[in-house]
Amino acid sequence: SQKIEQNSEALNIQEGKTATLTCNYTNYSPAYLQWYRQDPGRGPVFLLLIRENEKEKRKERLKVTFDTTLKQSLFHITASQPADSATYLCAPRPYSGNTPLVFGKGTRLSVIA
Amino acid sequence: DTGVSQDPRHKITKRGQNVTFRCDPISEHNRLYWYRQTLGQGPEFLTYFQNEAQLEKSRLLSDRFSAERPKGSFSTLEIQRTEQGDSAMYLCASSLGRDENIQYFGAGTRLSVL
Repeated sequence: SQKIEQNSEALNIQEGKTATLTCNYTNYSPAYLQWYRQDPGRGPVFLLLIRENEKEKRKERLKVTFDTTLKQSLFHITASQPADSATYLCAPRPYSGNTPLVFGKGTRLSVIA
Repeated sequence: DTGVSQDPRHKITKRGQNVTFRCDPISEHNRLYWYRQTLGQGPEFLTYFQNEAQLEKSRLLSDRFSAERPKGSFSTLEIQRTEQGDSAMYLCASSLGRDENIQYFGAGTRLSVL
């Protein structure tokens, strides 16, 4: 069955450092992968999407990589700030646009000032 | 505010009661999804509509759950004879229905079954 693993339940880093979150998947051949941010008591918010033919995607301080050989995506936040503290969810997507999202459990990031 | 709205935000009910939640998607979005999320887990898919047609239901969705989207706009999710295990955050999302299927979520309805 399809499985998504995000590296750890919680990650604590110092303000200004780069946070790196991992998303590994098995029994999947995703056409693309989405990353969402979720704050406590709120719904997820879309951040970035990377396609299988893209190695890297950037948006401001965010960077996502996608390695289909390793079946892994890395999500980086550079120059992290306390406001980046949230849970980050990955969702690998198959080709069919009709299928619902399947999320990992998420990684809770805490950026300490 | 033109985002996805859900009502109520919180619901406390006694075991055995019926509850109904409402979701108003972004107006031009033809797809609407319901998810359930418990503490420490990612959202889990429950069911999805394209316009008014319910196209898919998760095996997680027991017979006590029913969802409608009568005119292809807002949707309701009803849980009959609630059980304590139904306590969770119920999230609604909508999308334009393109292949990339970026979804826009509401703030959710938190259900507590006592």
